[in-house]
Amino acid sequence: GQQLNQSPQSMFIQEGEDVSMNCTSSSIFNTWLWYKQDPGEGPVLLIALYKAGELTSNGRLTAQFGITRKDSFLNISASIPSDVGIYFCAGDPNYGGSQGNLIFGKGTKLSVKP
Amino acid sequence: SQTIHQWPATLVQPVGSPLSLECTVEGTSNPNLYWYRQAAGRGLQLLFYSVGIGQISSEVPQNLSASRPQDRQFILSSKKLLLSDSGFYLCAWSIGSGSPLHFGNGTRLTVT
Repeated sequence: GQQLNQSPQSMFIQEGEDVSMNCTSSSIFNTWLWYKQDPGEGPVLLIALYKAGELTSNGRLTAQFGITRKDSFLNISASIPSDVGIYFCAGDPNYGGSQGNLIFGKGTKLSVKP
Repeated sequence: SQTIHQWPATLVQPVGSPLSLECTVEGTSNPNLYWYRQAAGRGLQLLFYSVGIGQISSEVPQNLSASRPQDRQFILSSKKLLLSDSGFYLCAWSIGSGSPLHFGNGTRLTVT
């Protein structure tokens, strides 16, 4: 089945650092979405991308829909402690077998550097 | 605006007992509804989805079942819980296939 490869799996951040994560696939996606999940809560939609090449910002967050439609990245600038959590990418694959259900990456866990 | 309610927030149940988790959505009509399970705080596994009342699609064969008795109500059930059913269960809705999902706050289920 369709898979999204999300990397890195985990990373440590120091306050003020920029953070970057990405998702790739061997197949084309129609939509890319980025979510953040805080401990014990449901994922919250951060950014939605609908067009190849689209670059969208939400505060300190910036995400791009890759030109090839097979990848997307999320950048967080000047990280702060409340950025910790798990970030998920999700995509709407461009084939009928998915029945329109989103495919999720396995998540990138952001933690604070000890 | 649309809201999604999921309860209970936490649940501890013995092995072999039944389960019923409920999810309701407000502020929208005929939403797609979803149940996901998340183990160990990581990946999201789609369990069931529904595009309308009484229409349930199962993604993973298992000990659980889902029902949609009303347009904005989605229920996850089990007749007899197994230890492996422990996890974090998330309900979600969307306006249609391929559209962004909006998640509830989840239910932490511990089967003892």
